[in-house]
Amino acid sequence: KAGVTQTPRYLIKTRGQQVTLSCSPISGHRSVSWYQQTPGQGLQFLFEYFSETQRNKGNFPGRFSGRQFSNSRSEMNVSTLELGDSALYLCASSLGAGSLPTDTQYFGPGTRLTVL
Amino acid sequence: DAKTTQPNSMESNEEEPVHLPCNHSTISGTDYIHWYRQLPSQGPEYVIHGLTSNVNNRMASLAIAEDRKSSTLILHRATLRDAAVYYCILRARWAGSYQLTFGKGTKLSVIP
Repeated sequence: KAGVTQTPRYLIKTRGQQVTLSCSPISGHRSVSWYQQTPGQGLQFLFEYFSETQRNKGNFPGRFSGRQFSNSRSEMNVSTLELGDSALYLCASSLGAGSLPTDTQYFGPGTRLTVL
Repeated sequence: DAKTTQPNSMESNEEEPVHLPCNHSTISGTDYIHWYRQLPSQGPEYVIHGLTSNVNNRMASLAIAEDRKSSTLILHRATLRDAAVYYCILRARWAGSYQLTFGKGTKLSVIP
């Protein structure tokens, strides 16, 4: 079974631009979560989607948004990019909706975003 | 958020056992203890989880203290491929679901 795939793997943007990142979960998984990883803040939760609905959101500004499609694929968008948005953006999928404490999350390789 | 405390880094010789400690003195009765690891240039991967009893799987063992205020991830024979950052996470319910709240983790170096 194919793992979580993320596209593109690398991206360079300039301040003020917007960017869309894509995530395809493992087949059959209906939940997708997004995380931001930076050297200073580590791994931080952005949001979770299940059945096309945002179930949970981390402490990030409204410039960060996402959506999920009927096939469970997900996209996240960052508008008006800032230098501090440079990070590794990770997507994770799981079978359930995070409603069980034993749900395992399977991570993709991430998209490395650089903002100049 | 329930907090965990881990050493910043540890070293191990190849083919020797590794014990990675984690303190979680504020754990509540329903918090599960999860371990994930992140190899260089990869996303995190699940290692093991437990609630009260010790757990074993093909990757590792998890030893949980009787009072649940600490736990230890045990790699029985470290290989070079085990060099990674290991995260100890308390899986607690937050805003309706059980998200993973990552700390700084322990960077494990394996010496050939």
